Amino acid sequence: AQSVAQPEDQVNVAEGNPLTVKCTYSVSGNPYLFWYVQYPNRGLQFLLKYITGDNLVKGSYGFEAEFNKSQTSFHLKKPSALVSDSALYFCAVRDKSSGYSTLTFGKGTMLLVSP
Amino acid sequence: GAVVSQHPSRVICKSGTSVKIECRSLDFQATTMFWYRQFPKQSLMLMATSNEGSKATYEQGVEKDKFLINHASLTLSTLTVTSAHPEDSSFYICSARAEGAGDLYEQYFGPGTRLTVT
Repeated sequence: AQSVAQPEDQVNVAEGNPLTVKCTYSVSGNPYLFWYVQYPNRGLQFLLKYITGDNLVKGSYGFEAEFNKSQTSFHLKKPSALVSDSALYFCAVRDKSSGYSTLTFGKGTMLLVSP
Repeated sequence: GAVVSQHPSRVICKSGTSVKIECRSLDFQATTMFWYRQFPKQSLMLMATSNEGSKATYEQGVEKDKFLINHASLTLSTLTVTSAHPEDSSFYICSARAEGAGDLYEQYFGPGTRLTVT
């Protein structure tokens, strides 16, 4: 069975500083990995995905994530945080056990960027 | 990018009544649609998966007679919460996936519907 862990409930960072939101996964076979962002009372917005190819994936709003197979991680990063980046971030995975058809989400990490 | 809409965005209903939530893919054909439920400060819980023209597949623990899902066309799926109770109050999010080159692995999410049962 596929699973995703986001070890931090909340990440606090000052505006202008780099940010990292952690994600690790457990799957059978090669994973398809995703990051989504959710603003209050809104649905999820797609940020980026890793299917294959370069381990460093660049996405929307200046975010990027690095796929690390040996550490089974897919951490989300941004070089310089903005106050407007404050939101709830979800890591998600699809794998072979579900026929790559079902997204499994982590519990989410609240990112708070202070001015 | 692809857009998924939901209607209504908020609904308040009395206990015992039924509520229908619509999910539409606006600029693509969604062969598969998903319905999620999200409790405050928690992750999304998949309720069911539906393919156009066939019965929905419900996740374990989700009552199919209470949460009726209809995926009648390639652009519309509906979730009806029957005989709603206060414990059904939640944020319901639909998602749609298009089949085809470039989109096979991506799901697009609606803005969600806040249901409050009084």
